[in-house]
Amino acid sequence: GAVVSQHPSRVICKSGTSVKIECRSLDFQATTMFWYRQFPKKSLMLMATSNEGSKATYEQGVEKDKFLINHASLTLSTLTVTSAHPEDSSFYICSARVGGGYISNYGYTFGSGTRLTVV
Amino acid sequence: AQTVTQSQPEMSVQEAETVTLSCTYDTSESNYYLFWYKQPPSRQMILVIRQEAYKQQNATENRFSVNFQKAAKSFSLKISDSQLGDTAMYFCAFMKHDGYSGAGSYQLTFGKGTKLSVIP
Repeated sequence: GAVVSQHPSRVICKSGTSVKIECRSLDFQATTMFWYRQFPKKSLMLMATSNEGSKATYEQGVEKDKFLINHASLTLSTLTVTSAHPEDSSFYICSARVGGGYISNYGYTFGSGTRLTVV
Repeated sequence: AQTVTQSQPEMSVQEAETVTLSCTYDTSESNYYLFWYKQPPSRQMILVIRQEAYKQQNATENRFSVNFQKAAKSFSLKISDSQLGDTAMYFCAFMKHDGYSGAGSYQLTFGKGTKLSVIP
């Protein structure tokens, strides 16, 4: 099936530094990638939607300058947390749409997530 | 805007028994999908089952089945013969669709989740 590879799975960084998270679609082209944030024991909160070759669309309350999203190709989307602070510590997950055309093929596949800890 | 409500924060079930997780949603859309996703301790989101709104027949996937009541906007998940590996967070999700063209990538709206524990 369709797989999204997300790296790194865990990262610890110092406050004030930047961290890049990558999501690659391995066997399909991901026109659109969704980026979520998940706090412990909570649901997924959509941060932004990235479309290949265009600017990402951010959800209300998400800082565009802090969470930089780049979707330069049909197989790679990146999320960069800039000037990270301890409150940015969280679990970040990417997701891409799979299939299309007939409704029966429609679905989403998720990366395995990145646990970011800012110290 | 759509909302998805899961009213059971936590549930438990004995191994081999059956359990039903509830989900209700609110939308004015006519074309949409509903999903149940499973998130085990590994945190990997796994699709459990999918239902197209235009289909009256309830979706089934092996031990997993749904009770889709469109008029009531209800979408419950039944897990039969529960196994230890079913222990996970379960999220109900909604996605609108633009019909038969297949175009567009609409976002998923998730419920808050139900933590299911299968007891040996």
